[in-house]
Amino acid sequence: GQQVMQIPQYQHVQEGEDFTTYCNSSTTLSNIQWYKQRPGGHPVFLIQLVKSGEVKKQKRLTFQFGEAKKNSSLHITATQTTDVGTYFCASVNFGNEKLTFGTGTRLTIIP
Amino acid sequence: DTAVSQTPKYLVTQMGNDKSIKCEQNLGHDTMYWYKQDSKKFLKIMFSYNNKELIINETVPNRFSPKSPDKAHLNLHINSLELGDSAVYFCASSQSNTEAFFGQGTRLTVV
Repeated sequence: GQQVMQIPQYQHVQEGEDFTTYCNSSTTLSNIQWYKQRPGGHPVFLIQLVKSGEVKKQKRLTFQFGEAKKNSSLHITATQTTDVGTYFCASVNFGNEKLTFGTGTRLTIIP
Repeated sequence: DTAVSQTPKYLVTQMGNDKSIKCEQNLGHDTMYWYKQDSKKFLKIMFSYNNKELIINETVPNRFSPKSPDKAHLNLHINSLELGDSAVYFCASSQSNTEAFFGQGTRLTVV
């Protein structure tokens, strides 16, 4: 079955530093979604990418979908304490709407 | 108004008991999911329903039985609870392969 791996599993950064998490799939993905889960909270949708090579930005967050549609990345510029949480990539199988999540990257910020 | 609501938020029970978690969405979505999040934060899909029909049933023990009385509700009944069932269970809904909305989660502790 489809497996989506994320690296790193954990990341500790000084406030103000940049952060990147990578999502890799063994198969070609039809789309990629990104979610953020705050500690003690539930996953919240951030964005969806569909096109090969697509790049989208949300303020300090930059999302990329690889040319081969097998990988994706989320980059946060100048992290803030509000960025703390676990970031998940996910992909929907258009045929059966199965939404599979990556393994997640837990980000902690050192003030 | 809460888009996806699940109850209870916390559930502490003894091994061998039977318990249910309820989920309701008021978004008019056709697809609903149950996910299990373990202590390592992995989000594993358990079941998916589309318009009250079961479309995804991952390798979940048959002690877990989902029920969808209508497309706005997806409940999860668990028989003969085991220690390994302790986790956070999330209900979610989506429409046509777009973003998923999650409930607040139910933290199940089996003692």
